[in-house]
Amino acid sequence: DAKTTQPNSMESNEEEPVHLPCNHSTISGTDYIHWYRQLPSQGPEYVIHGLTSNVNNRMASLAIAEDRKSSTLILHRATLRDAAVYYCILRVTNTGNQFYFGTGTSLTVIP
Amino acid sequence: KAGVTQTPRYLIKTRGQQVTLSCSPISGHRSVSWYQQTPGQGLQFLFEYFSETQRNKGNFPGRFSGRQFSNSRSEMNVSTLELGDSALYLCASTRELRDTQYFGPGTRLTVL
Repeated sequence: DAKTTQPNSMESNEEEPVHLPCNHSTISGTDYIHWYRQLPSQGPEYVIHGLTSNVNNRMASLAIAEDRKSSTLILHRATLRDAAVYYCILRVTNTGNQFYFGTGTSLTVIP
Repeated sequence: KAGVTQTPRYLIKTRGQQVTLSCSPISGHRSVSWYQQTPGQGLQFLFEYFSETQRNKGNFPGRFSGRQFSNSRSEMNVSTLELGDSALYLCASTRELRDTQYFGPGTRLTVL
């Protein structure tokens, strides 16, 4: 039972912003929202995470809806190196540190 | 600081055999989690260890087992291999139990 849903694929032009959506309607109050990305033949790479407030780091921004049932990962200027599968994940902490991966969004960046 | 390392990177086995995969976490990290990634099922949680104790287990048969040593290194074992066990097995480590996870490159297991 998937805890997050994402579009299968998205495209973006190079140097333009990208908004990757994620729905997580069954999120509970203690679940963290994480985003990872995975390049071919590599393990997932941490991008950003948050609980309730919007978050920014050098890689991306995370916008979390007020009801926390959805979030959006924002890449401010897509580069060719950003082409990857992006996973929206709920980290359930009430029983440990279990990650529930969605099916991911394959991002294509067009030069 | 070195990242999470997994050995071997590639492995080919036949049905019925068993296999042991190894994971060395980032220095200072005490928690290790294992995941199976397949094209059909995506990334699925196998188990999580912290201070040599299994804290969580995913919905996998008993053929899948693991352990963690006092130096935080972890191994996972799959017995009586089936064709469907062919997958990328990923290990992730965290400093403490509820920190962000850092993934290794994975071990690609092919069962013939």
